[in-house]
Amino acid sequence: GENVEQHPSTLSVQEGDSAVIKCTYSDSASNYFPWYKQELGKRPQLIIDIRSNVGEKKDQRIAVTLNKTAKHFSLHITETQPEDSAVYFCAAIRYNFNKFYFGSGTKLNVKP
Amino acid sequence: EPEVTQTPSHQVTQMGQEVILRCVPISNHLYFYWYRQILGQKVEFLVSFYNNEISEKSEIFDDQFSVERPDGSNFTLKIRSTKLEDSAMYFCASSAEGGGTEAFFGQGTRLTVV
Repeated sequence: GENVEQHPSTLSVQEGDSAVIKCTYSDSASNYFPWYKQELGKRPQLIIDIRSNVGEKKDQRIAVTLNKTAKHFSLHITETQPEDSAVYFCAAIRYNFNKFYFGSGTKLNVKP
Repeated sequence: EPEVTQTPSHQVTQMGQEVILRCVPISNHLYFYWYRQILGQKVEFLVSFYNNEISEKSEIFDDQFSVERPDGSNFTLKIRSTKLEDSAMYFCASSAEGGGTEAFFGQGTRLTVV
């Protein structure tokens, strides 16, 4: 099955700085890569996703990049704000396999 | 905005007892999932369900677990004989399509086995 590794496990940045979280995956057939944000005690919520036919996707301060050859993808948050503080999970899914493989999570702390 | 809803939000049960966790997926979704998250750890896949049958399950989903869609709206997870290590947050999720589409998560049920 798929194995998703996520780094770092914790990340502390100053407000206004950028944050980068990286994930690697093992199954070359995986072709959908969502990122979920989970605030303390709340449900995971999708913040951005990317499919294997594109290399980069951006939504305001959030971007995701995908390197299919190296089997890794990254989440980039620019101009971080305290409300970005949460745990972020990456995931990898193979089309038509109904099973999300999640990374271990990154706890992001944005210091005001 | 439609949401996945789960009940109860918190359940405390004695070891060895049966529990049923309930979920109402988003109404036009066809794929349903259960995940669990032990405190401080990653979200782990348990099972996916489509067309009234299990489509995939993990090694965690052993014989003590079962899922059911008893009517057109509910999706349940039953744990037959709970163990201390079943204590976790259980999330239900649903998606309109399988595989590469967004899964919407419920708010979770915190199960505490004592």
